[in-house]
Amino acid sequence: TQLLEQSPQFLSIQEGENLTVYCNSSSVFSSLQWYRQEPGEGPVLLVTVVTGGEVKKLKRLTFQFGDARKDSSLHITAAQPGDTGLYLCAGANDYKLSFGAGTTVTVRA
Amino acid sequence: KAGVTQTPRYLIKTRGQQVTLSCSPISGHRSVSWYQQTPGQGLQFLFEYFSETQRNKGNFPGRFSGRQFSNSRSEMNVSTLELGDSALYLCASSLAGGVTEAFFGQGTRLTVV
Repeated sequence: TQLLEQSPQFLSIQEGENLTVYCNSSSVFSSLQWYRQEPGEGPVLLVTVVTGGEVKKLKRLTFQFGDARKDSSLHITAAQPGDTGLYLCAGANDYKLSFGAGTTVTVRA
Repeated sequence: KAGVTQTPRYLIKTRGQQVTLSCSPISGHRSVSWYQQTPGQGLQFLFEYFSETQRNKGNFPGRFSGRQFSNSRSEMNVSTLELGDSALYLCASSLAGGVTEAFFGQGTRLTVV
């Protein structure tokens, strides 16, 4: 059983569309990190959010940390084929990361 | 600045054998964590080391062990390999662990036959 629930599990959209990935938990985390992973490679860190209610923008990506520090969302505007990958959220507590199962995003050209 | 380096990238072992995987963290990072990634279970935490001390351990059998050296490099060992140990093993380094950002290596793909 995953400590963090990610939804949806799969997402396939056309280039130029927007998408949102959700990450929810009943646990409170010290911080929450989002990663993107490509097949056979390690996850690449996209962002770390620490403060409840925090919003961070990274070009076309917007990350939000819930007020209670239990949930987060990732929004991509005008998705591009290069955004294709497995998106993982991970909550940090007790010197470890607890990962969600991931959302596989496919952006079609 | 060099990233996290894991060696080897690929490994094939036979059931019952043991294996040692290596991880060199980013220079200046003192925390190293290990994770197992499988299609069925996703990313599962194995253990975390900081300044040669294990601070946390996941729910894995005692066949899985690790250590960290004074230069922050880390190794993990799996003894008496089972087919179910086939996975991508990932190492992450961070300045101090906890809330600090964690950066992953490319992983070691272990196949047990």
